[in-house]
Amino acid sequence: EAAVTQSPRNKVAVTGGKVTLSCNQTNNHNNMYWYRQDTGHGLRLIHYSYGAGSTEKGDIPDGYKASRPSQENFSLILELATPSQTSVYFCASGDEQTEVFFGKGTRLTVV
Amino acid sequence: QQQVRQSPQSLTVWEGETAILNCSYEDSTFDYFPWYWQFPRESPALLIAIRPVSNKKEDGRFTIFFNKREKKLSLHITDSQPGDSATYFCAASASSGSWQLIFGSGTQLTVMP
Repeated sequence: EAAVTQSPRNKVAVTGGKVTLSCNQTNNHNNMYWYRQDTGHGLRLIHYSYGAGSTEKGDIPDGYKASRPSQENFSLILELATPSQTSVYFCASGDEQTEVFFGKGTRLTVV
Repeated sequence: QQQVRQSPQSLTVWEGETAILNCSYEDSTFDYFPWYWQFPRESPALLIAIRPVSNKKEDGRFTIFFNKREKKLSLHITDSQPGDSATYFCAASASSGSWQLIFGSGTQLTVMP
């Protein structure tokens, strides 16, 4: 079974603060993704990566940065967190047009 | 503009009925269409997927019907069970270009016993 581990699982951040969400996968998948999930919007793609050193913008990249320092790790960075970024964030990994495996999610609250 | 659209937003059926969930897409380069399901407080997981070389994909009680000309898909769940109650997401990606996996906004299915 593919394993995607996210940390932290829950986070409360203050407006204007920096937040880093981490993701680790142990399946040697090339592609990794960060989505946010909000009621009524489904899963919206923030950033994705083809492999170590690459990051690409998804549909809603504004306010977010991403970093892929290795095949296994993919981070999402909120440099200046805002209340509108309160959401559930999912990391996922997979290879091209095959099953994508999701982590358990991070619930972020920005106050 | 949403690239993948789903309808209805929510659907309630009785146990034993067939549930039909709809999906449409904009980008004609999309050539892989997975459906994911998500139970409350869990992560999405792959249910079934189709590639346009076929216009139908079946897996037990779950069947995808695909219409390339109209850029539409539908997921049919026959003999619906209360355990099928979940949110269903249609997704799409293209083998040419960026490999992004784009999701629709989901259909929340409730199967009443």
